[in-house]
Amino acid sequence: DADVTQTPRNRITKTGKRIMLECSQTKGHDRMYWYRQDPGLGLRLIYYSFDVKDINKGEISDGYSVSRQAQAKFSLSLESAIPNQTALYFCATRDLAGDTDTQYFGPGTRLTVL
Amino acid sequence: GQNIDQPTEMTATEGAIVQINCTYQTSGFNGLFWYQQHAGEAPTFLSYNVLDGLEEKGRFSSFLSRSKGYSYLLLKELQMKDSASYLCAAMDSNYQLIWGAGTKLIIKP
Repeated sequence: DADVTQTPRNRITKTGKRIMLECSQTKGHDRMYWYRQDPGLGLRLIYYSFDVKDINKGEISDGYSVSRQAQAKFSLSLESAIPNQTALYFCATRDLAGDTDTQYFGPGTRLTVL
Repeated sequence: GQNIDQPTEMTATEGAIVQINCTYQTSGFNGLFWYQQHAGEAPTFLSYNVLDGLEEKGRFSSFLSRSKGYSYLLLKELQMKDSASYLCAAMDSNYQLIWGAGTKLIIKP
């Protein structure tokens, strides 16, 4: 089984609709992240969380919100989707144990806003 | 501002060696990462350098020069499966990663 899972894997929605992307992990990591990836651009951080109910804004948080109600789950919401939110969205956990600093990414959600 | 520069695309031949360069400018610096991302898939961790010098891990090596704001990823004995994008990321003073746009590596037989 995958350690970091995302649902849905693909989603097409219309402008103005509310949409939620889910992320679950079995790695037991406290830190979780949401990124978006656009062609020709690096991964950009939307929100991150260091623990349950801890929420921090990233570089591009406008238009997004998140919820961290359990260590294993971190959900991303678009309250009113717009076309320029069309992108590939990745959830990641971060392992900082010992000398390690590694992020583990989910398989991604491809979102299209029409 | 914070910035990561790496070439958009590179082509190399199976069995050869390729070096992918990355320069960075960040407010503070706490390490340099390389990730591999196959088309349509998630990035996966390759290496982490925090001290100057070369770190070797099998066919892949990563080099860091903090004074020059420069890193490279060296791939030896290239295989077709190495065709992927290689993402460079620098960790800033807030321990957040600043990501480059990635270098698409095309391997030809």
